[in-house]
Amino acid sequence: GENVEQHPSTLSVQEGDSAVIKCTYSDSASNYFPWYKQELGKGPQLIIDIRSNVGEKKDQRIAVTLNKTAKHFSLHITETQPEDSAVYFCAAIPTGGGNKLTFGTGTQLKVEL
Amino acid sequence: DGGITQSPKYLFRKEGQNVTLSCEQNLNHDAMYWYRQDPGQGLRLIYYSQIVNDFQKGDIAEGYSVSREKKESFPLTVTSAQKNPTAFYLCATRRLLSTNEKLFFGSGTQLSVL
Repeated sequence: GENVEQHPSTLSVQEGDSAVIKCTYSDSASNYFPWYKQELGKGPQLIIDIRSNVGEKKDQRIAVTLNKTAKHFSLHITETQPEDSAVYFCAAIPTGGGNKLTFGTGTQLKVEL
Repeated sequence: DGGITQSPKYLFRKEGQNVTLSCEQNLNHDAMYWYRQDPGQGLRLIYYSQIVNDFQKGDIAEGYSVSREKKESFPLTVTSAQKNPTAFYLCATRRLLSTNEKLFFGSGTQLSVL
């Protein structure tokens, strides 16, 4: 089955700096890669996603890049703000695997003033 | 959040006791899921259901049971057979379309053992 590895497990940045979180996946059939943000005591919220037919997608201060050859994808947050502090999860799903989203282990992002 | 209600927010289980976590949704989504979240780990799938009166085991179903008698409801029972139940439990839903994999999550239930 699919295996998703996520790094780093914790990340601390100064307000205004950029943050990058990286994930690798094992199943070359995976074609959908969402990113979720989870605030303390709450459920994860989808913040951005990308399909394997594109290499990059951007939404205001967040962007995701995908390298299918290397089987890795990354989340980029620019101009970080304190409200960006949360746990971020990447995930991957193979074609036809609509019920088997595999999650990474999460990255605790802390944006310091 | 926003259409998915999990209750209670906190739950305590005594030794040998079964407890049931509630998940209700008004999004009219077909599929519902239960995930378990442990500190420092990703979300692991317990059970899922795509239609009423039908459900499938996920990766860690042992010690858990579910039912899907109504489209809106997918309760999870943590049985006494689950020896390490302390975790954060998340319910999720998805609209079943061929090109849609987006999951929507509830706000979770923290289960602890007394």
